[in-house]
Amino acid sequence: NAGVTQTPKFRILKIGQSMTLQCTQDMNHNYMYWYRQDPGMGLKLIYYSVGAGITDKGEVPNGYNVSRSTTEDFPLRLELAAPSQTSVYFCASSYGYTGELFFGEGSRLTVL
Amino acid sequence: AQKVTQAQTEISVVEKEDVTLDCVYETRDTTYYLFWYKQPPSGELVFLIRRNSFDEQNEISGRYSWNFQKSTSSFNFTITASQVVDSAVYFCALSEKDFNKFYFGSGTKLNVKP
Repeated sequence: NAGVTQTPKFRILKIGQSMTLQCTQDMNHNYMYWYRQDPGMGLKLIYYSVGAGITDKGEVPNGYNVSRSTTEDFPLRLELAAPSQTSVYFCASSYGYTGELFFGEGSRLTVL
Repeated sequence: AQKVTQAQTEISVVEKEDVTLDCVYETRDTTYYLFWYKQPPSGELVFLIRRNSFDEQNEISGRYSWNFQKSTSSFNFTITASQVVDSAVYFCALSEKDFNKFYFGSGTKLNVKP
């Protein structure tokens, strides 16, 4: 019963460093998403994917990149980390025809 | 543009009280979906309900009920006889018909005190 697994759960980065947040789902979902959650704010969509090889930008894509080489994996790449990217990041997946999102536990990223 | 507004930032109630969480949305689409998600202190978001724009019937699930009114663009959530375990942040969300993008409100933090 793994569901959506995100790693790492916590990370501290220095300004200008790069890193990749990993996301894997074992439910054979076609749709996958990356959101960020800032304090007192709702979730903002960074990128989404409707299937392997297909990705598209969400509301706040600047400073991030994604890839979807397999159905299971949807990594989020942060290039040249900035303090504005300090946030909690959530990966989610869904079948795409129900709209029910299954979320990972979140990854808390701090950029100092 | 799609937008979801949850004007109540934080609500505190005493156990067994009823509480209603408000959600107002904006969209120009005729087909859309509305959702409620719960985020307990553990942090993981959990799906509660989905409603499509053509189904205005209210829904009840145990102590939870939802009131969808297109005339006022609202999708409110009521918890009856609240319990401490209901303490969480609740998010209302709106999706386009193809479920590519979801737009979340800023959330309402519910504190249920014993």
